[in-house]
Amino acid sequence: GAGVSQSPRYKVAKRGQDVALRCDPISGHVSLFWYQQALGQGPEFLTYFQNEAQLDKSGLPSDRFFAERPEGSVSTLKIQRTQQEDSAVYLCASSLEGGANGYTFGSGTRLTVV
Amino acid sequence: EDKVVQSPLSLVVHEGDTVTLNCSYEVTNFRSLLWYKQEKKAPTFLFMLTSSGIEKKSGRLSSILDKKELFSILNITATQTGDSAVYLCASYNFGNEKLTFGTGTRLTIIP
Repeated sequence: GAGVSQSPRYKVAKRGQDVALRCDPISGHVSLFWYQQALGQGPEFLTYFQNEAQLDKSGLPSDRFFAERPEGSVSTLKIQRTQQEDSAVYLCASSLEGGANGYTFGSGTRLTVV
Repeated sequence: EDKVVQSPLSLVVHEGDTVTLNCSYEVTNFRSLLWYKQEKKAPTFLFMLTSSGIEKKSGRLSSILDKKELFSILNITATQTGDSAVYLCASYNFGNEKLTFGTGTRLTIIP
């Protein structure tokens, strides 16, 4: 596609509910990244894929967070048993390869846990 | 731990003014510094700086990197209301592919 597409745009979840956030990267982009942006803060790295391989998941804040990219294209970020501190905008980005030339970000999913 | 600090946190100026946004960094294995503009949700790429002292320019925006003093500035001349946004800087390091972002500077241009 023309850009990085994320869905849903907004998600309200009750505390304890599981959520799944989808990212459709730019066609042909090998690298895919997930970031979490809390209100008033800069984005913080969560995880990085090269094709279907998850090469870095050092930023995932707990084992409730899980990401996958099974066919090397679309990625899903899953958060189990959501908590209020998970409320944030979740940004996905993709690049041709790595981060050396910057990435293209999607518009994000705003998650609100109530 | 890698750290990127931006100042000021927020700035309000009148249309037509010139602004300078600051970004300092303390990171290991520094490779390059990037600037993004974030208006609603998606940060959009502005500049990537790898070498000291070489100004990058795009219209009314320009940026420069000082690798000795570990900082970068983003200048916007003749500001317009469409420049209102959060400006983010981020470091990109050797050894991993992630970006480390600062908190951002919220710029508001008053007509």
